[in-house]
Amino acid sequence: DVKVTQSSRYLVKRTGEKVFLECVQDMDHENMFWYRQDPGLGLRLIYFSYDVKMKEKGDIPEGYSVSREKKERFSLILESASTNQTSMYLCASSIKGSQPQHFGDGTRLSIL
Amino acid sequence: QQQVKQSPQSLIVQKGGISIINCAYENTAFDYFPWYQQFPGKGPALLIAIRPDVSEKKEGRFTISFNKSAKQFSLHIMDSQPGDSATYFCAAGNQAGTALIFGKGTTLSVSS
Repeated sequence: DVKVTQSSRYLVKRTGEKVFLECVQDMDHENMFWYRQDPGLGLRLIYFSYDVKMKEKGDIPEGYSVSREKKERFSLILESASTNQTSMYLCASSIKGSQPQHFGDGTRLSIL
Repeated sequence: QQQVKQSPQSLIVQKGGISIINCAYENTAFDYFPWYQQFPGKGPALLIAIRPDVSEKKEGRFTISFNKSAKQFSLHIMDSQPGDSATYFCAAGNQAGTALIFGKGTTLSVSS
């Protein structure tokens, strides 16, 4: 079974901090995705990556950046955390040129 | 257009009843339509998916109906059980593995 692991289940940070969310997948998938989940808004794509060092903006990239230095790891970075970035963050991966996407269990991030 | 509209937002069904969730998409280039199931504290998990060359796909108690001309697809859960209580997301995208566009989700409660 594909395993997508997000390093933290819960995270509390302060406004203005630089925050790193980590995601690792164990199936040698080329594609990796970061989504944000908010009640009533569903899942919204922040960034995705098709290969190492490659990244593409999704629908809501403002205030975020990403890093993919190794194939199995995809990091989401909040450069200067703000309270409106309090949310559930979901990482997913998939095989290149194919579906489906496999999700991790999420990181619930609170910015105080 | 890239939206996927999902309804209803919430649904209460008696045990043994049929649960129906509907989605509509706008982009005719989409050729992959999955449904994800999410339990509290977990990430979304693929439930069932359909491609536009068929009008219906059934897996156990779960059926996707697809209407290409109307750009609509729906999930039917037959003989609904309390264990089906979860949030369901429809999505649309491409088989080539690009990012998915998600609906806003439906919270299903099956009462015993």
